[in-house]
Amino acid sequence: DAKTTQPPSMDCAEGRAANLPCNHSTISGNEYVYWYRQIHSQGPQYIIHGLKNNETNEMASLIITEDRKSSTLILPHATLRDTAVYYCIVSANDYKLSFGAGTTVTVRA
Amino acid sequence: DGGITQSPKYLFRKEGQNVTLSCEQNLNHDAMYWYRQDPGQGLRLIYYSQIVNDFQKGDIAEGYSVSREKKESFPLTVTSAQKNPTAFYLCASRQPLDRGRQAFFGQGTRLTVV
Repeated sequence: DAKTTQPPSMDCAEGRAANLPCNHSTISGNEYVYWYRQIHSQGPQYIIHGLKNNETNEMASLIITEDRKSSTLILPHATLRDTAVYYCIVSANDYKLSFGAGTTVTVRA
Repeated sequence: DGGITQSPKYLFRKEGQNVTLSCEQNLNHDAMYWYRQDPGQGLRLIYYSQIVNDFQKGDIAEGYSVSREKKESFPLTVTSAQKNPTAFYLCASRQPLDRGRQAFFGQGTRLTVV
């Protein structure tokens, strides 16, 4: 699996958009980009995933650059409940799913 | 309700004893995973299984063993060979490719070895 690089932490104001970057410069053509988040002491929760095109669901939007070497997760209106560790993962059609250290996002009132 | 069940939530063992952590899923997923998480750290992959009676080592398999005799169950044994077994252990199962490959996690077992 390709490695990912995320900033260790970031702050965001409540009600504002949170833009979480992820670099995956060695991503292969068959690898998807997945985002999960983990609220303290709970199991991670799936947010969104994509291959080439931008994706949006009820939780977030995923913007993938044309060369697929980086992506951004956008939380459109951050709330205090969005405070969590966010993991960016790239995974191919095989079964291995490896997490990195993630970005600790703190939403402040 | 469908989901991943890990039991128990908290587990205490004496040093030198083997201990088995339970993970059951009723989502009909073929793929299952075990992760370890230490305080302030990310998740590290211990073992994963693509299908019944098959499993592969992850990134930190030493001192751990698994079995996959049933589709629904993927127990993890922490052996006495594991040098630092105290950690938070998470189990997951994953959808097949044609349904998005989303992973679902249990609520974890916090193991303390004294």
